[in-house]
Amino acid sequence: SQQGEEDPQALSIQEGENATMNCSYKTSINNLQWYRQNSGRGLVHLILIRSNEREKHSGRLRVTLDTSKKSSSLLITASRAADTASYFCATDREYGNKLVFGAGTILRVKS
Amino acid sequence: DTAVSQTPKYLVTQMGNDKSIKCEQNLGHDTMYWYKQDSKKFLKIMFSYNNKELIINETVPNRFSPKSPDKAHLNLHINSLELGDSAVYFCASSREVGAGYGYTFGSGTRLTVV
Repeated sequence: SQQGEEDPQALSIQEGENATMNCSYKTSINNLQWYRQNSGRGLVHLILIRSNEREKHSGRLRVTLDTSKKSSSLLITASRAADTASYFCATDREYGNKLVFGAGTILRVKS
Repeated sequence: DTAVSQTPKYLVTQMGNDKSIKCEQNLGHDTMYWYKQDSKKFLKIMFSYNNKELIINETVPNRFSPKSPDKAHLNLHINSLELGDSAVYFCASSREVGAGYGYTFGSGTRLTVV
């Protein structure tokens, strides 16, 4: 079964705007990761946040984690057309030995 | 240098055939995985190997048989292909199992069973 549920399913914004995607999960985790998938390509690892961290930044990406609510958000600031892709959250569950992926958010950035 | 490479990229075959997908990683990672992505983009783990040893087998039909000749290679053999096997199959690797490292994915093999 899918561990993560992402919201929204699809998001369309103008270039330069910020994009926020949310992920909720069900069980205790070691860490949560975000991946990007361009159309017809493999997944690319973006950022990892550990269960004892609350916020992490990488370039234009900001990830937050709220373990009490079992949720995470990914913020992409000053979006570009090249950010158009599907974004997946994935959880590394305690004792799970594997990443379990959410359903993904399709982001379209219009230029 | 491709970190995780899969071949072939596309595979079209008839029902009942047997086919293999190959995967190689040059990252020195200990753990390799096979994931299946269906038409709705859901990604589901199928198998995981750590240092050539099978550690995860996620209720996959036994028509699917992974083989890891060494820790840099993880191949997937599928017998008696069915229409429902049509999907994109991704190979991935990571430094260690459950140690909190990101995965590196291959570019995928799109399997179409007709």
